[in-house]
Amino acid sequence: GENVEQHPSTLSVQEGDSAVIKCTYSDSASNYFPWYKQELGKRPQLIIDIRSNVGEKKDQRIAVTLNKTAKHFSLHITETQPEDSAVYFCAVLSGSARQLTFGSGTQLTVLP
Amino acid sequence: NAGVMQNPRHLVRRRGQEARLRCSPMKGHSHVYWYRQLPEEGLKFMVYLQKENIIDESGMPKERFSAEFPKEGPSILRIQQVVRGDSAAYFCASSPRRQGTNTEAFFGQGTRLTVV
Repeated sequence: GENVEQHPSTLSVQEGDSAVIKCTYSDSASNYFPWYKQELGKRPQLIIDIRSNVGEKKDQRIAVTLNKTAKHFSLHITETQPEDSAVYFCAVLSGSARQLTFGSGTQLTVLP
Repeated sequence: NAGVMQNPRHLVRRRGQEARLRCSPMKGHSHVYWYRQLPEEGLKFMVYLQKENIIDESGMPKERFSAEFPKEGPSILRIQQVVRGDSAAYFCASSPRRQGTNTEAFFGQGTRLTVV
């Protein structure tokens, strides 16, 4: 089955700096890569996603890049704010799977 | 349009009891996914259901766990004879079509099960 690894597990940045979270996957047939944000005690919420026919996607301060050859994708958050503090999960939908496989999460803390 | 509704939000059970977790998908959504989240870990897929059908239960333990999504009413995840290791947050997600096919899966608030 699909194997998704996410790094780092914790990340602290100063307000205004950028944050980068990386994920690698194993199934070269994977074709959908969403990122979820989960605040403490709340539900995971989709913040951005990318499909295999695109290399980069941006939405205001967040962007995702995909390298299909290397089988990794990254979340980039610029101009971080304290409200960006949360756990971020990457996920992968492989070609044959019917459900998402999630990474283990990154606890992002933005220091004021 | 209410979001995905899960109840109860918190559930405490003694070892050996049964736990029933309910998930009402968003209106118009016929695909339901259950995930388990252990403390400080990611979401682990358990089971994927469509109305009256289990599509994929490869992530669900073979014993004590079962799931259903009847024609009417919510999807139910049932855990029999709970053990301390079942303590976790159980999330349900729903989508109008299979995940990834140009559609987003929306998560419920989760049920936090504590086995004492």
